[in-house]
Amino acid sequence: EADIYQTPRYLVIGTGKKITLECSQTMGHDKMYWYQQDPGMELHLIHYSYGVNSTEKGDLSSESTVSRIRTEHFPLTLESARPSHTSQYLCASSGPSSYNEQFFGPGTRLTVL
Amino acid sequence: AQTVTQSQPEMSVQEAETVTLSCTYDTSESNYYLFWYKQPPSRQMILVIRQEAYKQQNATENRFSVNFQKAAKSFSLKISDSQLGDTAMYFCAFSVYGQNFVFGPGTRLSVLP
Repeated sequence: EADIYQTPRYLVIGTGKKITLECSQTMGHDKMYWYQQDPGMELHLIHYSYGVNSTEKGDLSSESTVSRIRTEHFPLTLESARPSHTSQYLCASSGPSSYNEQFFGPGTRLTVL
Repeated sequence: AQTVTQSQPEMSVQEAETVTLSCTYDTSESNYYLFWYKQPPSRQMILVIRQEAYKQQNATENRFSVNFQKAAKSFSLKISDSQLGDTAMYFCAFSVYGQNFVFGPGTRLSVLP
């Protein structure tokens, strides 16, 4: 079954740690996205990719980085986590056509102490 | 820049009643897609319904239907025969050419027994 996966689902870490949030999809989608969802539930685009070796920053300034070495994999890395990074992170992907919606993963809830 | 506005941060409805969620958007594009997404508490975001701007007929999916008014740039969601499982955050979203997704701030809907 085609799907989009995120690991870990929950993560509690200390300040200064380096972390990588994983996102994988089995639908062969070229387009993938990372959103930060704040406590008020609003979505903010932080990174996106339209294909392998192509990544762009989104609307919300973020200290995270992403890579896209394989079509199915789009990890997000925080080099040095801070309490301000505490949030829900959602990964999404979409197909090639104009009518394609985004498919969302279950999210990673990150808490930085 | 494209924007999406949802003017109702929270709404409630009695079970079996009908409720309408509002969404307005701003764009200079002539063809685009509009979506309603649902995010139940602590669960994955899923697509509820989509509408192509060139289609005058309003989209319908079972109990969910939209009222699309292109000239007014309005895209409301009507939920008929509300069920407890409809309790969720609802996001209106806009996309041009299958990319540049823009999400509204969301409406929290509570269905009351």
